[in-house]
Amino acid sequence: DAGVTQSPTHLIKTRGQQVTLRCSPKSGHDTVSWYQQALGQGPQFIFQYYEEEERQRGNFPDRFSGHQFPNYSSELNVNALLLGDSALYLCASSLPSFVTDTQYFGPGTRLTVL
Amino acid sequence: GENVEQHPSTLSVQEGDSAVIKCTYSDSASNYFPWYKQELGKRPQLIIDIRSNVGEKKDQRIAVTLNKTAKHFSLHITETQPEDSAVYFCAASSLGTYKYIFGTGTRLKVLA
Repeated sequence: DAGVTQSPTHLIKTRGQQVTLRCSPKSGHDTVSWYQQALGQGPQFIFQYYEEEERQRGNFPDRFSGHQFPNYSSELNVNALLLGDSALYLCASSLPSFVTDTQYFGPGTRLTVL
Repeated sequence: GENVEQHPSTLSVQEGDSAVIKCTYSDSASNYFPWYKQELGKRPQLIIDIRSNVGEKKDQRIAVTLNKTAKHFSLHITETQPEDSAVYFCAASSLGTYKYIFGTGTRLKVLA
C-alpha cells in the first residue's frame, strides 16, 4: 500500500505566476489537509477537504484554493505567487474521524518563488 | 488565536542521556496531541500521540505526558541514540477536526 504521495517534488516559479500541487491520499483515507512549512518553522494549516468540499480553512488568503476529486485526491492552487510563498507544501490524509485522529503526511512539494 | 509554543528550539545531548521537549497550547478545546519526527528532507512521521483523557503514554524509549490544567505536554526520549537526531514537532488538535496547530520545532542532536 503506497503512502501519501505528492507531485511534483520540486517546483520553481516566478512572482505573479500560478502553481498547482497534487496529492494522493493513503488508500481508504477520505480527508485531505494541506500545510505550508516555511524553512525552520512548523507546518501551518492551509485548508482541509472532505467529500469534495472545503471543510476548514486556516489563516491563508484567497490566493490559496483547492479541490478534491471523487477518488479523494486533491490539488492545491496558488495564484499570484509571492516570494513569501516559497516553502515546503505538505499534504496529509486521514481516515474517517471515528476510526482515528492520526494524519499521515506526504513527502511534500518544495516550491521556490523567484 | 490558537497557538502552540515549543521549547527548546535546539537541544544537544550525549548518546544514552535523556531528552525532554516541552509544549504549551492555548486552545482549551484541544484534546489530541501528536508528536512528529522530521528528518532532513523527509516527511513528518508520527512517533507518539496522546488524548486528553490520559495523563501519560509510553512506547519503548518514548513517552508523552499531559497536564490539561496547565495546558502543557512534553515528549521524553530515554537512552538517546544518534538516529534520534532530527527535528521534533508537537501539535494540538480537537478530536475529529484533523486541524493540527504545530509548534515551531526542536532540533535534537544526539552526540556520539
